[in-house]
Amino acid sequence: EPEVTQTPSHQVTQMGQEVILRCVPISNHLYFYWYRQILGQKVEFLVSFYNNEISEKSEIFDDQFSVERPDGSNFTLKIRSTKLEDSAMYFCASGQQGNTEAFFGQGTRLTVV
Amino acid sequence: GQSLEQPSEVTAVEGAIVQINCTYQTSGFYGLSWYQQHDGGAPTFLSYNGLDGLEETGRFSSFLSRSDSYGYLLLQELQMKDSASYFCAVRAPRAAGNKLTFGGGTRVLVKP
Repeated sequence: EPEVTQTPSHQVTQMGQEVILRCVPISNHLYFYWYRQILGQKVEFLVSFYNNEISEKSEIFDDQFSVERPDGSNFTLKIRSTKLEDSAMYFCASGQQGNTEAFFGQGTRLTVV
Repeated sequence: GQSLEQPSEVTAVEGAIVQINCTYQTSGFYGLSWYQQHDGGAPTFLSYNGLDGLEETGRFSSFLSRSDSYGYLLLQELQMKDSASYFCAVRAPRAAGNKLTFGGGTRVLVKP
């Protein structure tokens, strides 16, 4: 069964460093998303991406965040200068169409120290 | 803005039935989804309601009343493996990026 894959599974970084989280969505999907979940809390929407551009972003997704689909298969989330409060599980998700279910990857646990 | 309310925790025994209610207030609504998440795992899609009524998928069913801004997830014939967190999520229209806004989650504990 096709699945969304994310790498790395766990990343530790120092405050102020840049990180890039990588995702390979399901191949025939057209809609891509990033969500995050701080430990013990709910899943929060960060950004949605369709047709090579951001279609919606949340207040969390400030100028420190960016997304890219560099080669038609990968979908990346970059955090330019990490803060302690960026520590969370980051989930990538994709959907075939906008109004169908979103499939989530297993997540990248980001720890900022 | 969007807000979703669901109970924080439910405990039940194997074989029982559990209903998890979800009420929502939203500025844009396309449908209500339900996701299951085991500790340390990813949210896994369970069910979606775009129209009023009941959707049945095996032991799990979901209901939506758009006029009441209310839905529920029904878990039947509970099994130990159903111990997990369950999230309702409002799906926004395409104009709002098809995003999912999640509730706080209901932790279901199934006891023998």
